Amino acid sequence: ETGVTQSPTHLIKTRGQQVTLRCSSQSGHNTVSWYQQALGQGPQFIFQYYREEENGRGNFPPRFSGLQFPNYSSELNVNALELDDSALYLCASSSQRGAEIGTQYFGPGTRLLVL
Amino acid sequence: EDQVTQSPEALRLQEGESSSLNCSYTVSGLRGLFWYRQDPGKGPEFLFTLYSAGEEKEKERLKATLTKKESFLHITAPKPEDSATYLCAGTNDYKLSFGAGTTVTVRA
Repeated sequence: ETGVTQSPTHLIKTRGQQVTLRCSSQSGHNTVSWYQQALGQGPQFIFQYYREEENGRGNFPPRFSGLQFPNYSSELNVNALELDDSALYLCASSSQRGAEIGTQYFGPGTRLLVL
Repeated sequence: EDQVTQSPEALRLQEGESSSLNCSYTVSGLRGLFWYRQDPGKGPEFLFTLYSAGEEKEKERLKATLTKKESFLHITAPKPEDSATYLCAGTNDYKLSFGAGTTVTVRA
């Protein structure tokens, strides 16, 4: 069974640029969630995708956007990068069935540095 | 607003010295309390899910418990390989609300 994978592992961008991060969900999972983790902090929820639709969103501006594909993989796009966007970006996949709370399994993350 | 607070921020233990980590939460209509372990520069690794007050789960030297206001992660006779940051998170729907974590260092 393949776990959650993310690419790239590290990325350096300059302020104002755009970035796309990718995530492949664990086999059998249909839901992907994205989190931002600043140094020394817990992960903060960005948004979740279920069946290719945004299922919920945290307190992040619209320049953070995402996609989920038919194979349940996902992308996180961030436009107009700011210095504060420097963080570890985590993708988590889970299997949602009705009202059941599915356990979220995390990938290794993408470390983004904005200069 | 959902809030999860972990204490202490850091814990230094001698190998074999048991201790407990605290996670207090105010998550309206809590449906699940999760514990994860995170090593430096890596993604969180799932440990436990607790669904209702009074529930307990164990895995090797770790035991998680849940009350109506808080959860505890007990580490019994820790080894150096138990050194990590332990995160707890609560959920009432689709998102996890995380605490800032407790960083545990176990010295041989």
